[in-house]
Amino acid sequence: GAGVSQSPRYKVAKRGQDVALRCDPISGHVSLFWYQQALGQGPEFLTYFQNEAQLDKSGLPSDRFFAERPEGSVSTLKIQRTQQEDSAVYLCASSRGWGGGQPQHFGDGTRLSIL
Amino acid sequence: AQSVTQLDSHVSVSEGTPVLLRCNYSSSYSPSLFWYVQHPNKGLQLLLKYTSAATLVKGINGFEAEFKKSETSFHLTKPSAHMSDAAEYFCVVSGSTGKLIFGQGTTLQVKP
Repeated sequence: GAGVSQSPRYKVAKRGQDVALRCDPISGHVSLFWYQQALGQGPEFLTYFQNEAQLDKSGLPSDRFFAERPEGSVSTLKIQRTQQEDSAVYLCASSRGWGGGQPQHFGDGTRLSIL
Repeated sequence: AQSVTQLDSHVSVSEGTPVLLRCNYSSSYSPSLFWYVQHPNKGLQLLLKYTSAATLVKGINGFEAEFKKSETSFHLTKPSAHMSDAAEYFCVVSGSTGKLIFGQGTTLQVKP
């Protein structure tokens, strides 16, 4: 497809389980971002990749959160030992270049619910 | 540090009347600013962007925004609202690395 694809669209997990969320960016896009959107809030930055290099992970809320992009294309966000406060929509975005001013193209997100 | 403040959490207009969604920004340098729209259970769609060219920016679906440095504002307008415009709107500033900093959002309601 032409857009950013995220899977699964919905994920329900029990507290303490590990989850993995996938993002397929637009082909050829260098930059990839992950955001977390809590209910009724604006998205908040989690982490940023330029190709396969993770250049900024300052937004990851704890060491339970881990992201990778090993071949500079598909990215996975992993959350270990999930907690109820992890319930949110996780959005992935990609952009053609890097630096400020680049418009980002968003996927439809993964809605994560922790029971 | 950069930030944006959306001045209204909820705006209600009648179909066919003008829309005004207000946003103020804070930035230590010339900012890159965006407006995104989010329909229910969907991702974010870019409406328009400002990157230090023309101060009046035209976007998709008839929306436009004016960058006013003296007022540190970037308000979004549309001359005539349509029912399909009902959605959540986010004013966004870009950090130097490209990460986006979002406002809290404004819910636009369009009444028939």
